[in-house]
Amino acid sequence: GAVVSQHPSWVICKSGTSVKIECRSLDFQATTMFWYRQFPKQSLMLMATSNEGSKATYEQGVEKDKFLINHASLTLSTLTVTSAHPEDSSFYICSANSRDVYNEQFFGPGTRLTVL
Amino acid sequence: GEDVEQSLFLSVREGDSSVINCTYTDSSSTYLYWYKQEPGAGLQLLTYIFSNMDMKQDQRLTVLLNKKDKHLSLRIADTQTGDSAIYFCAEKYNQGGKLIFGQGTELSVKP
Repeated sequence: GAVVSQHPSWVICKSGTSVKIECRSLDFQATTMFWYRQFPKQSLMLMATSNEGSKATYEQGVEKDKFLINHASLTLSTLTVTSAHPEDSSFYICSANSRDVYNEQFFGPGTRLTVL
Repeated sequence: GEDVEQSLFLSVREGDSSVINCTYTDSSSTYLYWYKQEPGAGLQLLTYIFSNMDMKQDQRLTVLLNKKDKHLSLRIADTQTGDSAIYFCAEKYNQGGKLIFGQGTELSVKP
């Protein structure tokens, strides 16, 4: 149980286009979902925290208009990278908290974004 | 402030024990975690420890927590080549429950 999926697993896009990444909790209801960004050989940097039905809370330095987060249901959150540029190329990972398991975040497999 | 520090690299021989160290700053953290990440993959939770515990053992993994020094370690017994990966420690920040990750320790296991 407690599986989180992400779609797509990798995406290549042209500079200036927008890209949407989905994060789904497959077998549990996620009270909170988190979006992280990871550069090669670096740690995970938390971008934002989202709760179902409310606005996401962004970490300092993360542009909310650039990285749009929608948490429409208890099993789905989306991250849209708007007007992507090559510096947005990164590995994006989501995680989710289950209302039944307080002490663990369940991580998705990640999405590799490459902006040309 | 939020800060988790790890050494960046560790190299061991197959069959030896590996010890990966981590220091953190938030004394009110409730849980501390160890995750494993293989190339191009997401994070796999290895183990976690509640902040009122000193030690936790799970098969080949032993976690030691020194809350006074805010020091956490992960010992992998009988390290195998399949253990080669990046290991992240993380603390659960009391406010909002978010996780703060260390930089990751790249473990290289030589046959």
